[in-house]
Amino acid sequence: AQSVTQLDSQVPVFEEAPVELRCNYSSSVSVYLFWYVQYPNQGLQLLLKYLSGSTLVKGINGFEAEFNKSQTSFHLRKPSVHISDTAEYFCAVSHDRGSTLGRLYFGRGTQLTVWP
Amino acid sequence: DGGITQSPKYLFRKEGQNVTLSCEQNLNHDAMYWYRQDPGQGLRLIYYSQIVNDFQKGDIAEGYSVSREKKESFPLTVTSAQKNPTAFYLCASSGRQEQFFGPGTRLTVL
Repeated sequence: AQSVTQLDSQVPVFEEAPVELRCNYSSSVSVYLFWYVQYPNQGLQLLLKYLSGSTLVKGINGFEAEFNKSQTSFHLRKPSVHISDTAEYFCAVSHDRGSTLGRLYFGRGTQLTVWP
Repeated sequence: DGGITQSPKYLFRKEGQNVTLSCEQNLNHDAMYWYRQDPGQGLRLIYYSQIVNDFQKGDIAEGYSVSREKKESFPLTVTSAQKNPTAFYLCASSGRQEQFFGPGTRLTVL
């Protein structure tokens, strides 16, 4: 079975500081990796994805992530956060991508809180 | 605009009543999903459908039922057999490279 571990349930950080949200996955087959953001009482919005190619992936709002196959990790980073980045962040993995992306397996989420 | 709509946004029901949550998409996607979200639990898959008139149980299907009579619609019924139905419910559909989410329905059972 696939599993995704988000190592920190809460990450507090001051505005303009850098942040890293950690994600590890377990899989013995090819994987496709995603980070989503969720603001209170809303659906999930895709931040970035790794499907193939370059292991450094850039997304929206200045976020980036690096796929590390040997360490089975896909950590999310931002060099300088803003108050508006306060939200919950979910890491997800799929191992099925034919004509349609297969089901996603989600981590439990990391609440990022940015303080002024 | 293409996307996924869920209605209503907030729903209140008395214990013992069945309730149906609506999900519609105009993205022309074959695959659709229902997730349940509880604080600290992440998203857990209830049911999914990869094609019209076919669907499979996810990880927590007990107490729920679905139908997929049309490509654009995937309603979820929360039955009285679901022991703890109060939660945030998210519908999604998948293209080839991404899964798209609706805005969610918050169900409260009193």
